[in-house]
Amino acid sequence: QSVLTQPPSVSAAPGQKVTISCSGSSSNIGNNYVSWYQQLPGTAPKLLIYDNDERPSGIPDRFSGSKSGTSATLGITGLQTGDEADYYCGTWDYSLSAVVFGGGTKLTVL
Amino acid sequence: EVQLLDSGGGLVQPGGSLRLSCAASGFTFSLYAMSWVRQAPGKGLQWVSGISATGGSTYYADSVKGRFTISRDNSKNTLYLQMSSLRAEDTAVYFCAKDHSTRLGDYFDSWGQGTLVTVSS
Repeated sequence: QSVLTQPPSVSAAPGQKVTISCSGSSSNIGNNYVSWYQQLPGTAPKLLIYDNDERPSGIPDRFSGSKSGTSATLGITGLQTGDEADYYCGTWDYSLSAVVFGGGTKLTVL
Repeated sequence: EVQLLDSGGGLVQPGGSLRLSCAASGFTFSLYAMSWVRQAPGKGLQWVSGISATGGSTYYADSVKGRFTISRDNSKNTLYLQMSSLRAEDTAVYFCAKDHSTRLGDYFDSWGQGTLVTVSS
């Protein structure tokens, strides 16, 4: 059971938009920045979004992040088949003194 | 270019020990916190342990506390994870990950390729 809650899967057609939610509590998301990671099949995770809504260089602006209260959201527009991957949210939990991740969301581009 | 090279994985019997290493290059290793994150077959990411830039602070997930020890040698640009009393549920790919700051808990901006640990008799 993950500390952060994500939907197990989402799907949408190429060119469409999808959002992935990440729900936590005041001990984690509510009082810290959220980051998002993309894991393509068989590869290591890759940083996608940091500090709730910032994109590292090289990440296209089709990817966006937001946070409100104890929840965060990853948005992906103009879906491409290459976006099919597992997506994870993460943050620090002050009560646990630990990094916590969501359970991951598998994106399928139909 | 930041590079993290994980090594040391393998097959070990339950109750056994193993030491993982992560060789870092392309950045000033001593300025950044580091972590180990694992992924069991077909499962999600699980943070295992983290260490501050100086090595003065260490943190562990409850599931490994007392069994795993994280350390670093800043003169060798290398991160370690000493694993003992291994259990079947420790079977996973272990990734080392570089934090963005000196303290743990920011975000991971670089990851190693992972090393597979299999605990089985």
